[in-house]
Amino acid sequence: AQSVTQLGSHVSVSEGALVLLRCNYSSSVPPYLFWYVQYPNQGLQLLLKYTSAATLVKGINGFEAEFKKSETSFHLTKPSAHMSDAAEYFCAVNQGSNYKLTFGKGTLLTVNP
Amino acid sequence: EAGVAQSPRYKIIEKRQSVAFWCNPISGHATLYWYQQILGQGPKLLIQFQNNGVVDDSQLPKDRFSAERLKGVDSTLKIQPAKLEDSAVYLCASSLSGSENSPLHFGNGTRLTVT
Repeated sequence: AQSVTQLGSHVSVSEGALVLLRCNYSSSVPPYLFWYVQYPNQGLQLLLKYTSAATLVKGINGFEAEFKKSETSFHLTKPSAHMSDAAEYFCAVNQGSNYKLTFGKGTLLTVNP
Repeated sequence: EAGVAQSPRYKIIEKRQSVAFWCNPISGHATLYWYQQILGQGPKLLIQFQNNGVVDDSQLPKDRFSAERLKGVDSTLKIQPAKLEDSAVYLCASSLSGSENSPLHFGNGTRLTVT
């Protein structure tokens, strides 16, 4: 079965600093990978997705992620954190042909002024 | 376009009571999902519909949970009887076609507290 592991349940950065949220996947076949963001008391919003085209994927709000097959990783980055980036971030992998997403446990990002 | 609508936003019940949640997906979206998000965890798929048919309900606790999507539009998720461990946020999502090129759109969820 496919799965994702998010390293670090809580990441804290200063405003303007680099954001790096880690995600490793386990899959026996080439996966489709996703990053979602969840603001307090809201549903999940798609940030970006990898579907076997370019390995460097650009998403909304200045985020990007790089698919590295050799490291089975799909880490999310942003060069300069904003206060508005404070939220919980989920990595997900699709499972099977029915586009069923399996989510990681999430990483809470805190941005300090 | 209007997003995925869910109601109620919050519900508090006692254990062994029953509860129902409602979801109205984005117009024209064929695929509808119910996810359970327990505090501190990622969402877990409970059931997936394609139009009004069930595609996957392998993780739905069928002894107490049920879901339907009549006419392939709105959906309801029911829990009867509720247990303490059912306390969670229940998220509904929809997608145009259920393929990898059709992203999921989530509602704001229903937060259930079972006391």
